[in-house]
Amino acid sequence: GENVEQHPSTLSVQEGDSAVIKCTYSDSASNYFPWYKQELGKRPQLIIDIRSNVGEKKDQRIAVTLNKTAKHFSLHITETQPEDSAVYFCAASYGGATNKLIFGTGTLLAVQP
Amino acid sequence: SAVISQKPSRDICQRGTSLTIQCQVDSQVTMMFWYRQQPGQSLTLIATANQGSEATYESGFVIDKFPISRPNLTFSTLTVSNMSPEDSSIYLCSAPGGMARETQYFGPGTRLLVL
Repeated sequence: GENVEQHPSTLSVQEGDSAVIKCTYSDSASNYFPWYKQELGKRPQLIIDIRSNVGEKKDQRIAVTLNKTAKHFSLHITETQPEDSAVYFCAASYGGATNKLIFGTGTLLAVQP
Repeated sequence: SAVISQKPSRDICQRGTSLTIQCQVDSQVTMMFWYRQQPGQSLTLIATANQGSEATYESGFVIDKFPISRPNLTFSTLTVSNMSPEDSSIYLCSAPGGMARETQYFGPGTRLLVL
């Protein structure tokens, strides 16, 4: 089955700096890769996703890159703000409405004002 | 997107008892998913709930411990049976939404403490 590794487990940056979180997956059949942000005591919220036919996707300060050959994908947050502080999870799935998500271990991002 | 609600939001239970968690989606979906999130940990998939058939359980989870019902296309329940303190966790349901129905949306979770 699919296995997803995520690094780093914690990340501290100064406000305005960039943050990068990296994930690797094991199953080359995976074709959908979402990223979730989870604030303390709240549900995971989708922030961006990418499908295997795309190498990069951007949404304002957030971008995701995918390298299918190496089986890794990364989340990039630019111009970080204190409200970006949260736990971020990557996930992988085989896609489609019947897919199940396999999550990475999570990254606690702290943005220092 | 999908709007998902869960009941109860939290509970404190005695060991040996059972708790049933309800999950309601605002649209019809084929699959619903149940996850467990232990304190400070990631989300682990317990099972996939299919309407009209038995749930599919992930390795390490069994039907006797976590029976699931899926009576219609908008509703599912997860029961945590014969609870022990190790079952203390957050339980979340999810369902697909969005145009391609690939995106998983999560309920607010049920915080369970077993004494």
